[in-house]
Amino acid sequence: GENVEQHPSTLSVQEGDSAVIKCTYSDSASNYFPWYKQELGKGPQLIIDIRSNVGEKKDQRIAVTLNKTAKHFSLHITETQPEDSAVYFCAASSGGFKTIFGAGTRLFVKA
Amino acid sequence: DGGITQSPKYLFRKEGQNVTLSCEQNLNHDAMYWYRQDPGQGLRLIYYSQIVNDFQKGDIAEGYSVSREKKESFPLTVTSAQKNPTAFYLCASSIGTGSSPLHFGNGTRLTVT
Repeated sequence: GENVEQHPSTLSVQEGDSAVIKCTYSDSASNYFPWYKQELGKGPQLIIDIRSNVGEKKDQRIAVTLNKTAKHFSLHITETQPEDSAVYFCAASSGGFKTIFGAGTRLFVKA
Repeated sequence: DGGITQSPKYLFRKEGQNVTLSCEQNLNHDAMYWYRQDPGQGLRLIYYSQIVNDFQKGDIAEGYSVSREKKESFPLTVTSAQKNPTAFYLCASSIGTGSSPLHFGNGTRLTVT
């Protein structure tokens, strides 16, 4: 079945450094790729998304890149801050009602 | 403030009992979803509803049931048939199809002993 692999499972960076999380999807029909941030005890919140007709999207310190040929997309966080510490999930959807999630990356930003 | 409200935040039940988790949204979204989250795993879809009085099984529907009698409400019942019910349950909604962002509630942590 459809699958989204996410790496790394844990990432520790120093405040001010960049963080990169990578995902690979299996369903070639996928056309929507959201990223969610989940803080402790809360539900995930959308932080950025990208559609298949775009290769890159940026929102302040956060950017996402998409390589449809390789079925690969990545989240880039620059100038990390302690409040960026959370679990990040990538996901892929082919337009129906099912969204496939990666297993998550726990990001620690050390002050 | 529009959003999704899940209650209660923590729920404890004895094995063999059915339990219902509440989910209410005031975003006027047509679609609603229930996901299960286990440590170290992504979110897995239990059930979803595209419209009132309609719902579909997700990937792990066995041992769960839902209803969608009102647009705002999508309660989930965890039945005694669910073999491993202890988990964090998340309700979500979206404007339309899977190409729309999901809006999540803050979850209910269910512990069954």
